[in-house]
Amino acid sequence: AQRVTQPEKLLSVFKGAPVELKCNYSYSGSPELFWYVQYSRQRLQLLLRHISRESIKGFTADLNKGETSFHLKKPFAQEEDSAMYYCARPPAGGSYIPTFGRGTSLIVHP
Amino acid sequence: GAGVSQSPSNKVTEKGKDVELRCDPISGHTALYWYRQSLGQGLEFLIYFQGNSAPDKSGLPSDRFSAERTGGSVSTLTIQRTQQEDSAVYLCASSLRDPHRVNTGELFFGEGSRLTVL
Repeated sequence: AQRVTQPEKLLSVFKGAPVELKCNYSYSGSPELFWYVQYSRQRLQLLLRHISRESIKGFTADLNKGETSFHLKKPFAQEEDSAMYYCARPPAGGSYIPTFGRGTSLIVHP
Repeated sequence: GAGVSQSPSNKVTEKGKDVELRCDPISGHTALYWYRQSLGQGLEFLIYFQGNSAPDKSGLPSDRFSAERTGGSVSTLTIQRTQQEDSAVYLCASSLRDPHRVNTGELFFGEGSRLTVL
């Protein structure tokens, strides 16, 4: 089955440490992939998308076709990065339903 | 303009009662989704509406769950005879799906309705 997998439910780091939230996909080719973020008491919102190749709040994500991964990375974590992160594939290939990973909770300790 | 609006933000009910959750999507967005977010369970797709087409109900967990979308805009998710396992945050999202415009595929979420079934 085609899916998006986030192997870690929880990731805990200290402020200033590098952070990598893992996302793997099982789609063929070069799928469009997104990262969404949900801060405490805020709505789920788009953080960044693969196709735009942008850095948002210091986060970047590169599509690695060889490893079928789209890991989210930041070199120096900040306390305000603590949130729930979801890797997702938007609707594609005749399906109107986006596919979300189960989410990773990032906790950045002071 | 305003984002996706959901009400109520919190609902506490007794087991066996019916509840209605409302979603007002972003104006002009033809696609509307309902998801359930439970601790440790991620986002569970429930139902999808696109314009006036028949909805995709493939994610509804049981026949106690139903949803309507009136006039292609506001949607109501109804849970009948609630059970404790229905306790979760119910998220609504809308998206632009227009064949004549560029669709980014981004979903815009509401703040959710937290349902607690005692």
